[in-house]
Amino acid sequence: GAGVSQSPSNKVTEKGKDVELRCDPISGHTALYWYRQSLGQGLEFLIYFQGNSAPDKSGLPSDRFSAERTGGSVSTLTIQRTQQEDSAVYLCASSHRNNYGYTFGSGTRLTVV
Amino acid sequence: AQSVSQHNHHVILSEAASLELGCNYSYGGTVNLFWYVQYPGQHLQLLLKYFSGDPLVKGIKGFEAEFIKSKFSFNLRKPSVQWSDTAEYFCAVKGETSYDKVIFGPGTSLSVIP
Repeated sequence: GAGVSQSPSNKVTEKGKDVELRCDPISGHTALYWYRQSLGQGLEFLIYFQGNSAPDKSGLPSDRFSAERTGGSVSTLTIQRTQQEDSAVYLCASSHRNNYGYTFGSGTRLTVV
Repeated sequence: AQSVSQHNHHVILSEAASLELGCNYSYGGTVNLFWYVQYPGQHLQLLLKYFSGDPLVKGIKGFEAEFIKSKFSFNLRKPSVQWSDTAEYFCAVKGETSYDKVIFGPGTSLSVIP
């Protein structure tokens, strides 16, 4: 596609439920990032996929968070047993391996009630 | 570990004033540096980036940034701001290999008063 696509754009869920957030990167981009942006805060790194290498999961805040990237393209971020502090905008970005200018998606605004 | 600090949390300027947003990073190696902008209600966009060569980098919309290696700084400048520059500005750093991740600073909110 022309840009990074994220779905859903908004998600309201009850505390304790699981949620899945999807990111469809730009075709051919081998690098994919997930970040979290809370109200009034900067961007918190969550996880990084680069080609077929093992992902860098060092930013995941707890074991309730996991992500996968199937076939080197679409990525899904899963949050289990959501908590109110998980409420944030979850951003996905992708880049071609040799071009370090990252293109961001519009994000998924997650609200846990 | 990589880290990025931005000097100001919130900056308020009048139109036509000059802008300089500070950014310092911590990283023990060669870096790639970026400034991103997030206009109200919009997603993050790349303003400019530095990989190598001329340390003075020019970006879109009249912005520029200067990489000063000895000071670990990459400050963003614009000689004359406009109301439309009101946005959140993020500095970011990445190691030079493709396996290094991009780390963002906390952001600086710029408000330009007409």
